[in-house]
Amino acid sequence: RKEVEQDPGPFNVPEGATVAFNCTYSNSASQSFFWYRQDCRKEPKLLMSVYSSGNEDGRFTAQLNRASQYISLLIRDSKLSDSATYLCVVKGNKLVFGAGTILRVKS
Amino acid sequence: GAVVSQHPSWVICKSGTSVKIECRSLDFQATTMFWYRQFPKQSLMLMATSNEGSKATYEQGVEKDKFLINHASLTLSTLTVTSAHPEDSSFYICSAGQTGRNGYTFGSGTRLTVV
Repeated sequence: RKEVEQDPGPFNVPEGATVAFNCTYSNSASQSFFWYRQDCRKEPKLLMSVYSSGNEDGRFTAQLNRASQYISLLIRDSKLSDSATYLCVVKGNKLVFGAGTILRVKS
Repeated sequence: GAVVSQHPSWVICKSGTSVKIECRSLDFQATTMFWYRQFPKQSLMLMATSNEGSKATYEQGVEKDKFLINHASLTLSTLTVTSAHPEDSSFYICSAGQTGRNGYTFGSGTRLTVV
């Protein structure tokens, strides 16, 4: 079983749609959780950290459920520029990346 | 914010030659640096963790004699791919972190093509 699992997608959605990504992790001792965004042939860039209390940054909302070892990312009012691969990342003594979920927003 | 500079951004080399990739933290001291490799349509896979002034820790399956890592200062880590072969062609990315930081900053990556 992979340490961090994500639905690979692709998710093809129209502009303005709301889309949700899920992620599960296997190491219960993991300490920190993140969503990164990676554009084609580019390095990953931190989108947001994820907390049990949930956190929101504009159109993006992230949630962590430690009991279920589950992380989510919600994107509201999708823009064309949101098209990218979204990586679920879990940190214990090192960062472990999920394989990523591809999002394609179309006009 | 923290900036990590990685060079070169792309390199093409002949099979059997060695390639050195540099990763520099520009505005902070990076006690730890990580080296990742990403094959097409796959996620980043950690290759090794380097700590300033000590030997790197390699992940299982990564040959330490083939992928030489040097972290001689708090702002510079290098990865040398020795005797490169076509199967080493990949996207190599470094990442740097500081004590107390949760997130890590990534270099812009190096696309290596071995012909």
